[in-house]
Formats: sequence, structure tokens, C-alpha cells
Amino acid sequence: AQSVTQLDSHVSVSEGTPVLLRCNYSSSYSPSLFWYVQHPNKGLQLLLKYTSAATLVKGINGFEAEFKKSETSFHLTKPSAHMSDAAEYFCVVSDQGSSGSARQLTFGSGTQLTVLP
Amino acid sequence: DVKVTQSSRYLVKRTGEKVFLECVQDMDHENMFWYRQDPGLGLRLIYFSYDVKMKEKGDIPEGYSVSREKKERFSLILESASTNQTSMYLCASSRDRGLTDTQYFGPGTRLTVL
Repeated sequence: AQSVTQLDSHVSVSEGTPVLLRCNYSSSYSPSLFWYVQHPNKGLQLLLKYTSAATLVKGINGFEAEFKKSETSFHLTKPSAHMSDAAEYFCVVSDQGSSGSARQLTFGSGTQLTVLP
Repeated sequence: DVKVTQSSRYLVKRTGEKVFLECVQDMDHENMFWYRQDPGLGLRLIYFSYDVKMKEKGDIPEGYSVSREKKERFSLILESASTNQTSMYLCASSRDRGLTDTQYFGPGTRLTVL
């Protein structure tokens, strides 16, 4: 069985300071990992994904995440926050799923990022 | 760009009503999914489909059914709506069944059951 834990439900940063959104996962298989972002009243958009190639993954809008197998973590970072980054962020793990027959996504509970002026 | 559309952004229904939520994707994707999103719980998978007329239960299928008569359309049905089904419902599609495949999401339908 797979699971995802987002360690912070809310994160506040000042504009121009670094962003760190934490995610830990568990999976019975070699997983794929994703970060999605949801802006208010909009659908989810893919930020980046880890697919067992490079462990440091670069995404859109200056975000990146590092896959650390020994720590079972996939934390999302950005060097300098922008007001437009304010949104809810979801860490997602993908593996075979409990049925064994199909790929399923398991979502974390989300982290609300607030960017202060 | 992939486009996933959902028939309504907001919907208000009464307890016991039959509710249909429609989802259409325009990229000839094989796979379609229905999730519900609740605060503090993230997204939870209700049902998914890997082919026309094919469906599989997700993590929380109770109280729901689905229909996929055409490849581009995936419907979620609440046979008898209840207040605990008040939620945001998100549809998604993806091209294939690979572990790395990206899911593309619609804007969501916020359903309120009174």
C-alpha cells in the first residue's frame, strides 16, 4: 500500500524568501512522485514529476524537488517566493495500487502556501 | 493542450435526488478518473476507467456509480444524493497506464446536497 504525508498543512513565507514544502511517502514498489498545484477556483496543474531518472527534478515556475530514497522524502523548494505562488500544493505518489492491476495516484492532504508582501 | 471539461462548476441538489456529473476530455486519452476533494483529506479516488465500458472501483466507491459509453466521456452518478456527498468533484484523464503518466484535471464541480 502507498501513502503520502505532507508535514505542514499551512506554510507562510515572505515574498522573495525561500519556500520549502515537505512530503514523505511510503510505497511497496518503486514509485513515481508528483507535485501538483491548485490555485483558487482552478483545477490542479502538474508542477513536476520524478520518474526514476535524475533525483533532482526541475519543474515549472522555478520549483524543484529532490527524491531521497533513504529518507523516503520528496520535498518541494523554490529559492524565492512570488506572490503568484500562493496556492495549495499536493504531493502525489503513484504505484501499482492495492488492486495490483492498475496504476493509482495517492494524494497528500495538501499544503496551503501563503506569500506575504 | 489537453482540455478536460466538467458540465457544471456549481450544483445544488436535494437529499435523495439522482445526480449526474459529466466529464469530457478532448485528447483521446485512454484513462479517466473521478476524485472528490475535501479539506484536509486531499483528493480521494472514487472510480476510474481504462477503456470504454470498463470501470474499476477506487478507494471510496460507496454511494457512487460511473458510466463510460464513449472514450471521451466519463460520468459520475450519485443514485440517491446524501448530505455527506457535499464536496468538490474533480475529473482527470491520462494517456496511458504508465507509472509516470501525467493526469490532467478539469476545473471541478462543487456539489452541495441539502
